[in-house]
Amino acid sequence: AQSVTQLDSQVPVFEEAPVELRCNYSSSVSVYLFWYVQYPNQGLQLLLKYLSGSTLVKGINGFEAEFNKSQTSFHLRKPSVHISDTAEYFCAVSESQAGTALIFGKGTTLSVSS
Amino acid sequence: GAGVSQSPSNKVTEKGKDVELRCDPISGHTALYWYRQRLGQGLEFLIYFQGNSAPDKSGLPSDRFSAERTGESVSTLTIQRTQQEDSAVYLCASSLVTTGELFFGEGSRLTVL
Repeated sequence: AQSVTQLDSQVPVFEEAPVELRCNYSSSVSVYLFWYVQYPNQGLQLLLKYLSGSTLVKGINGFEAEFNKSQTSFHLRKPSVHISDTAEYFCAVSESQAGTALIFGKGTTLSVSS
Repeated sequence: GAGVSQSPSNKVTEKGKDVELRCDPISGHTALYWYRQRLGQGLEFLIYFQGNSAPDKSGLPSDRFSAERTGESVSTLTIQRTQQEDSAVYLCASSLVTTGELFFGEGSRLTVL
């Protein structure tokens, strides 16, 4: 079965600094990968996803992630963060076949301060 | 409705009581998920329904937990003989296909006293 490890539980950064949130997965088969974001007191929403094709995926709000099959990673990056990016970020993986569940990591809290 | 609807939004119960949580997915979505989110924790997968296939129950933490789904519509998560460690937000999500975007409800916050 697939699993996801988010290596950092909390990431504090200053506004306009770059950020990388790390995600590693484990699976014996090919996978689909996702990043979801949960803003304070709001529900989860999709940030970006990798299904196939280009390994560099661009999402909403200037975020991007790169699928690295050899490293089994799907790290999320943004070159310059804003205060409004403060949120909980979840990496998720499913096996690339119908009928498999989406498994989430434990989340990374991104705190952006001025 | 336009989104995933969950009820109740808040439920306070006494230890040992049974509770039922309801999820109305987006119309036409064949996949439906239940997750549990404890305070300060990530999303814990509970159960997954996909069309008419047998549900994936591998995430249910004990036999006190069960869930049903009627066709491709409403789902009910039942927790019997609730314990304090069951206190959490229970999230429901639905999607068109398993490779697509999950749309989450606002969650049902369960507090077991």
